[in-house]
Amino acid sequence: GDSVTQTEGPVTLSEGTSLTVNCSYETKQYPTLFWYVQYPGEGPQLLFKVPKANEKGSNRGFEATYNKEATSFHLQKASVQESDSAVYYCALGDTEGADRLTFGKGTQLIIQP
Amino acid sequence: EAAVTQSPRNKVAVTGGKVTLSCNQTNNHNNMYWYRQDTGHGLRLIHYSYGAGSTEKGDIPDGYKASRPSQENFSLILELATPSQTSVYFCASGEDWGDCAEQFFGPGTRLTVL
Repeated sequence: GDSVTQTEGPVTLSEGTSLTVNCSYETKQYPTLFWYVQYPGEGPQLLFKVPKANEKGSNRGFEATYNKEATSFHLQKASVQESDSAVYYCALGDTEGADRLTFGKGTQLIIQP
Repeated sequence: EAAVTQSPRNKVAVTGGKVTLSCNQTNNHNNMYWYRQDTGHGLRLIHYSYGAGSTEKGDIPDGYKASRPSQENFSLILELATPSQTSVYFCASGEDWGDCAEQFFGPGTRLTVL
């Protein structure tokens, strides 16, 4: 079955430094890939999604490139802010018509001022 | 205005008791989902639905039932609650666009089973 593996947290960074959260996936097809973000006390919300291989998604300064060859979708940001503190989930869409998402275990990001 | 709402937001239950978690969506989405979130496990799918009257088993359905009486409402039912079901539960709705479909989450329900 489908699976997603991402950087184990928590990840603690200082404000202004760069971020990479690794995401690797296993699936038989070529799914849409997603990054979700969850702020404290809230449900997850979509950060961005990329439906096609070799394309890049971005939002709020975060970006990720769908790398089909490496089966990766790493989340990056050049300069993090304290407000980026949250849990980040990588996910892949179901390719067998079930309209399901498979989520990674999530990476907690803590940004210190 | 919030499109996916959950009630209650917090619940304390006793072992062996019945618990019903409710979810309402105003997105007019066909699909709805129930997840639980636990440290070290992330989000795990319990049950989902393609529309009124339908329920499907997710990855961890044991100990849970689901009910979809209408387009807007989707309930998760714990007939005999156990301490291992202590968790945060999220409901979501989504379009039926296949693998491109984004899901929209509610604010969660924190359930404690004593």
